[in-house]
Amino acid sequence: GQNIDQPTEMTATEGAIVQINCTYQTSGFNGLFWYQQHAGEAPTFLSYNVLDGLEEKGRFSSFLSRSKGYSYLLLKELQMKDSASYLCAVRDSNYQLIWGAGTKLIIKP
Amino acid sequence: TAGITQAPTSQILAAGRSMTLRCTQDMRHNAMYWYRQDLGLGLRLIHYSNTAGTTGKGEVPDGYSVSRANTDDFPLTLASAVPSQTSVYFCASSEKGTGELFFGEGSRLTVL
Repeated sequence: GQNIDQPTEMTATEGAIVQINCTYQTSGFNGLFWYQQHAGEAPTFLSYNVLDGLEEKGRFSSFLSRSKGYSYLLLKELQMKDSASYLCAVRDSNYQLIWGAGTKLIIKP
Repeated sequence: TAGITQAPTSQILAAGRSMTLRCTQDMRHNAMYWYRQDLGLGLRLIHYSNTAGTTGKGEVPDGYSVSRANTDDFPLTLASAVPSQTSVYFCASSEKGTGELFFGEGSRLTVL
């Protein structure tokens, strides 16, 4: 079966760095996405990785290792507004997105 | 810019009643999707449409139907609602091939 695993919840301190991991087992691979979802709101796109390596976008970076079935989202200089759920999703061989359950990130002052 | 508009925002429905969740986009995206989101689970695809006039079944299609008469609208219908359909429903769209999804604000449905 297809499976996306990510931690249920993480806590970090304002100004610090946090890494949210995602491991996947899917039928084929055509890219990995990270979305941010604030409570009660819609998910919004953060990043897309299809090749191995690190993609940097401001305070957020996303890493992919296809051989390990592994990705992480790195958030630097954490701000209170970064408190949200972070969703990992993999596009499989049928170009359908398989979603993880999300990681709830709590930022403390 | 509106993007994707969903209606209603929330609804309480008696079991056995029918309900249509509306979704309209103004981005002229080819592909549209309906997902449900339940606590502790990832987003699950109900139905999708790759282009106007075509639809397909997702992971959890039973009890739901969709239509795609034109590019902009993609309504989701529950013919006879059951309590297990209590969920938050998200409509989304994407340009064909890019994969980045744009989501509506969601419709919270409670079936009693």
